[in-house]
Amino acid sequence: SQTIHQWPATLVQPVGSPLSLECTVEGTSNPNLYWYRQAAGRGLQLLFYSVGIGQISSEVPQNLSASRPQDRQFILSSKKLLLSDSGFYLCAWSSRDGFTDTQYFGPGTRLTVL
Amino acid sequence: KNQVEQSPQSLIILEGKNCTLQCNYTVSPFSNLRWYKQDTGRGPVSLTIMTFSENTKSNGRYTATLDADTKQSSLHITASQLSDSASYICVVSPALYNNNDMRFGAGTRLTVKP
Repeated sequence: SQTIHQWPATLVQPVGSPLSLECTVEGTSNPNLYWYRQAAGRGLQLLFYSVGIGQISSEVPQNLSASRPQDRQFILSSKKLLLSDSGFYLCAWSSRDGFTDTQYFGPGTRLTVL
Repeated sequence: KNQVEQSPQSLIILEGKNCTLQCNYTVSPFSNLRWYKQDTGRGPVSLTIMTFSENTKSNGRYTATLDADTKQSSLHITASQLSDSASYICVVSPALYNNNDMRFGAGTRLTVKP
């Protein structure tokens, strides 16, 4: 069966510090991968998605970047964190085949920027 | 304006009771609508997916309905249990094979009390 991992689970970082969040998927190959941010009381906001190694699409201009160095690894990064980067970050994957592909979400990372 | 509106924002019910959550959307064109359950501090988990040609789908005690003409969906929970306490998120996709263009509602926070 497929599983998706995210780490760390929680993170507290000072403003201006770098960030690296990692997401890995097991049990599937060639997945579509996604990074979302969820703010309190708001819907999920898609940040990045990837359809293959090295292929990253950004949905919103921001202080963050993403990379996909391996087929089942997706990394969210920042060189200098802002207060507004605080939130709950979710990684998700979906298969590339099918009509209505379900997205499977990871457990999330709670990021607090102080 | 969010294209997916959910109501109520929060709901408290007693264990064993039924409840219905609402989702109205203005997304067009419409491809499919999904309901997710998100436990606090966890990633969302898919409950149901309905295409424009389906008007009801069940998953255990969860039954989703869809009226594509009025652009409304509901999620009915029967015989609620304490474990149903979570946020329920409505997600609408405007296009086929396009998981990067899903529109998320802000969710309904359900609390089931003993």
